[in-house]
Amino acid sequence: KAGVTQTPRYLIKTRGQQVTLSCSPISGHRSVSWYQQTPGQGLQFLFEYFSETQRNKGNFPGRFSGRQFSNSRSEMNVSTLELGDSALYLCASSPFGSSYNSPLHFGNGTRLTVT
Amino acid sequence: QKEVEQNSGPLSVPEGAIASLNCTYSDRGSQSFFWYRQYSGKSPELIMFIYSNGDKEDGRFTAQLNKASQYVSLLIRDSQPSDSATYLCAVNDAGKSTFGDGTTLTVKP
Repeated sequence: KAGVTQTPRYLIKTRGQQVTLSCSPISGHRSVSWYQQTPGQGLQFLFEYFSETQRNKGNFPGRFSGRQFSNSRSEMNVSTLELGDSALYLCASSPFGSSYNSPLHFGNGTRLTVT
Repeated sequence: QKEVEQNSGPLSVPEGAIASLNCTYSDRGSQSFFWYRQYSGKSPELIMFIYSNGDKEDGRFTAQLNKASQYVSLLIRDSQPSDSATYLCAVNDAGKSTFGDGTTLTVKP
């Protein structure tokens, strides 16, 4: 079974631009969560989608948004990029999501650098 | 106070020793607990999960949960150099997984 696929693996953007990251979950998994990982803050929860609905949201500004499609694939968008948005963005899928105590299966991440 | 706190590292143990990793959490309503391992430059991978008080063993790994003390730990027996990684404790609470900052373990040959 294929794992969680994230594209692209690396991105370099300039302040003020916007970026879209993509995540394809494991086949059959309906929940997709997004996390930001930085050396200073660790893994920070962004949001979780289940059956195309945002079920939970972390403490990030509105510049961070996401969506999930009917095939469970998810995209995350960051608008008006700031230098502090430089991070590894991790997508994780699970069969039923965190509400059902399901463990997370992570993708390889997208490394975003904002200059 | 952080929601999930792990013992500060880095932690260094000799090959063959027992490595003990600890984690405390603040929300008594938390229901499930996970340990993930993250190698440098890689994404986290699940090692173990535990839902009930007590011990859960899987090969060289043992997870221990004490909900009264809001404490979860991971023991790695017969540590190997390949166990050198950052170990992340995660707690499911209100529909999301909250992670600790991680403890970096180095196993020296």
